[in-house]
Amino acid sequence: GDSVTQMEGPVTLSEEAFLTINCTYTATGYPSLFWYVQYPGEGLQLLLKATKADDKGSNKGFEATYRKETTSFHLEKGSVQVSDSAVYFCALPNTGNQFYFGTGTSLTVIP
Amino acid sequence: NAGVTQTPKFRVLKTGQSMTLLCAQDMNHEYMYWYRQDPGMGLRLIHYSVGEGTTAKGEVPDGYNVSRLKKQNFLLGLESAAPSQTSVYFCASSYPGRVNTEAFFGQGTRLTVV
Repeated sequence: GDSVTQMEGPVTLSEEAFLTINCTYTATGYPSLFWYVQYPGEGLQLLLKATKADDKGSNKGFEATYRKETTSFHLEKGSVQVSDSAVYFCALPNTGNQFYFGTGTSLTVIP
Repeated sequence: NAGVTQTPKFRVLKTGQSMTLLCAQDMNHEYMYWYRQDPGMGLRLIHYSVGEGTTAKGEVPDGYNVSRLKKQNFLLGLESAAPSQTSVYFCASSYPGRVNTEAFFGQGTRLTVV
């Protein structure tokens, strides 16, 4: 069935470093793809999304491109801040009417 | 804008006790979900509903029951709590479909079973 495989963490970066979190997907058809973020003690919130192949989602300096040829949706940010410390989840809605989430990647940014 | 509201936010239960977690959404969403989040396990789907009066099992349904008597509410019940059900529980809702939709989450319920 449809699923996402996400880069294992945790990831620790210095402030202003470049971030990549890998996500690959398996899907029937072309569902939308999502990145969610969970700040400490909070629920998940949508960070960005892409609705079709070659779409680029972006928000708060984060970007991800829906790549059909490599079945990937990697999350990137050019210069991370301490406030970006959180857990990041790749997700897609599968054919079973369910939202499927990756295992999450914990990011810690140190000053 | 309330969105998705979960009650309670925290609860401690003794083994064998029962409880109900309430999820309410005000976005007129058809689909609702209950997930549990455990360290290193990501989010695992417990049960979900595609409309009022319907429920379906997810990945980890054992030990839980659900009901969707009203479109805006989705209840998760633990009949006889076990320490293995210590977790953070999240409710979510969404519109149907696989394109240009998103799941909206509640703030979570932290449950400890002792």
